[in-house]
Amino acid sequence: DVKVTQSSRYLVKRTGEKVFLECVQDMDHENMFWYRQDPGLGLRLIYFSYDVKMKEKGDIPEGYSVSREKKERFSLILESASTNQTSMYLCASSFTSAAGELFFGEGSRLTVL
Amino acid sequence: AQSVTQPDIHITVSEGASLELRCNYSYGATPHLFWYVQSPGQGLQLLLKYFSGDTLVQGIKGFEAEFKRSQSSFNLRKPSVHWSDAAEYFCAVGDNFNKFYFGSGTKLNVKP
Repeated sequence: DVKVTQSSRYLVKRTGEKVFLECVQDMDHENMFWYRQDPGLGLRLIYFSYDVKMKEKGDIPEGYSVSREKKERFSLILESASTNQTSMYLCASSFTSAAGELFFGEGSRLTVL
Repeated sequence: AQSVTQPDIHITVSEGASLELRCNYSYGATPHLFWYVQSPGQGLQLLLKYFSGDTLVQGIKGFEAEFKRSQSSFNLRKPSVHWSDAAEYFCAVGDNFNKFYFGSGTKLNVKP
């Protein structure tokens, strides 16, 4: 079975803390994505990566960075968490084949106090 | 720019009734279209996808969708809704650069 695993389902952090969200996929997918999901706004792309050490900004990259040192792992980093980053974060992966489908993790719900 | 519109934020249907969820997209080329479902507290699961060919596509859980190029629509349908279909549904379009654009979602409630 295909699997995208996000390391933390629920996190509570304080303003100014550094936050790491980890995502691992076991499908040998080239592409990995981080989305943010907020009510009424759907999913908004933060960053995506199409290869190891390669990354591209999505629609809302401000306040976030990413790291992809290995093909199977894609990390989202909040350098200094703020309350407006309280949200659900979804990781996804796909093959590079003309918009192949996305496979999603279960999400990480982050609360910043 | 690519965009996806789901005009219905919430829909309530009775169990056993038919369902249609609307999706309109804006995309210059031939789109790759998807419907995903999200149960509470879960990630998204693919229901069905359209890349080319037959404009009526069948998916899992008895869902189908019809691609209408002239209307820029990709509406999701199910002839008889079950209580377990209560969830949030997202329409998405994928471009040729492996990026995906999502609608804001439609929450489906199912009345007993």
